[in-house]
Amino acid sequence: DIQMTQSPSSLSASVGDRVTITCRASQSISTYLNWYQQKPGKAPKFLIYAASNLESGVPSRFSGSGSGTDFTLTISSLQPEDFATYYCQENYNTLSFTFGGGTKVEIK
Amino acid sequence: QVQLQESGPGLVKPSQTLSLTCTVSGDSVSSGSFYWTWIRQSAGKGLEWIGRFYTTGSTSYNPTLKSRVTISIDRSKNQFSLKMPSVTAADTAIYYCARAVGGGGIFQHWGQGTLVTVSS
Repeated sequence: DIQMTQSPSSLSASVGDRVTITCRASQSISTYLNWYQQKPGKAPKFLIYAASNLESGVPSRFSGSGSGTDFTLTISSLQPEDFATYYCQENYNTLSFTFGGGTKVEIK
Repeated sequence: QVQLQESGPGLVKPSQTLSLTCTVSGDSVSSGSFYWTWIRQSAGKGLEWIGRFYTTGSTSYNPTLKSRVTISIDRSKNQFSLKMPSVTAADTAIYYCARAVGGGGIFQHWGQGTLVTVSS
């Protein structure tokens, strides 16, 4: 099984800050990596696919990068509506899919 | 715009069967290249992919749950369902249905989720 590890598990930041979240896979997954945002009491929202491609309608302040085992999600200028928990997820094979443990972005 | 809505009992007794239904609107479970998917979220295990039904009729399940899970489709009602027998407290979670693409691994659209508690 592929394991996905996110860091940090939580962070505090201010509006306007640049925020970077890291996701590491236990084996190489090329760019088969997706990112989701989840707010309290809501379902996850799909943000980025194939490591760096923004889903339609996602603000351009979000960006993703990486390949192989190391990936990052960056929010270039944190907005009030961006305070949430972010999850990475691999879809390297089609038999099973794994999510990371999440990174909670809190207000400083 | 596709919408998904989970429904089913919020409380299930240990050893009984968990049964949930996802009603789809704005799309057909019978058409397109989509994977109709169940995912759960618990405090202990985080987000966990349960399995999926492809529009061709094939199914695929998480190996850790494979022996306990069945996903099926009711094309006449535009719904798909999850059945999980012999539940334990460890199956307590929020259950989401979702529509996936990209070989079934990109979860583009999610239902709002439904909390299922396993308790006597």
